[in-house]
Amino acid sequence: KAGVTQTPRYLIKTRGQQVTLSCSPISGHRSVSWYQQTPGQGLQFLFEYFSETQRNKGNFPGRFSGRQFSNSRSEMNVSTLELGDSALYLCASTKGAGVSSYEQYFGPGTRLTVT
Amino acid sequence: QKEVEQNSGPLSVPEGAIASLNCTYSDRGSQSFFWYRQYSGKSPELIMSIYSNGDKEDGRFTAQLNKASQYVSLLIRDSQPSDSATYLCAVKTGQGAQKLVFGQGTRLTINP
Repeated sequence: KAGVTQTPRYLIKTRGQQVTLSCSPISGHRSVSWYQQTPGQGLQFLFEYFSETQRNKGNFPGRFSGRQFSNSRSEMNVSTLELGDSALYLCASTKGAGVSSYEQYFGPGTRLTVT
Repeated sequence: QKEVEQNSGPLSVPEGAIASLNCTYSDRGSQSFFWYRQYSGKSPELIMSIYSNGDKEDGRFTAQLNKASQYVSLLIRDSQPSDSATYLCAVKTGQGAQKLVFGQGTRLTINP
């Protein structure tokens, strides 16, 4: 079974621009969560989507948004990029229901650099 | 107080010994606990999940959970150099929604 895929793997953007990252979950997984990882703050939860609905949101500004499509694929968008948004953005998928439904499997991540 | 706390290390263990990694959490209502391994430059990889008090063994890995003490640990037996990585403790918080809170991670080095 294919794992979680994320595109693109690397991005370089300029301050003020916006960016869209994509995540395809493991087949059959309906929940997708997004995390930001930085050396200083570690792994921080951004938001989680299940059946196209945002179920939970972390403490990030409104510049960070996301959505999920009917095939469970998800995108996250960051508008008006700041230097501090440079990070590894990780997507994780879960079955979302049933036994082991809370086990999250991570994709390879998108490394975003803001200059 | 941080929601999930780990000793950041680095923890250095000789090859073949037992590595012991510890984690405490603040939300007494938490029910699901996970250990992830992250190699440098890679994404976290789930290695263990534990939901009930006691021990859970999987190969060379044993997870231990004590909800009364709000403590989770991971033991790695017969440590190998390939076990050198950062180990992240994660706790699921809230009802239903899939929010994991991660500790800062413990950097483990296995010395040949």
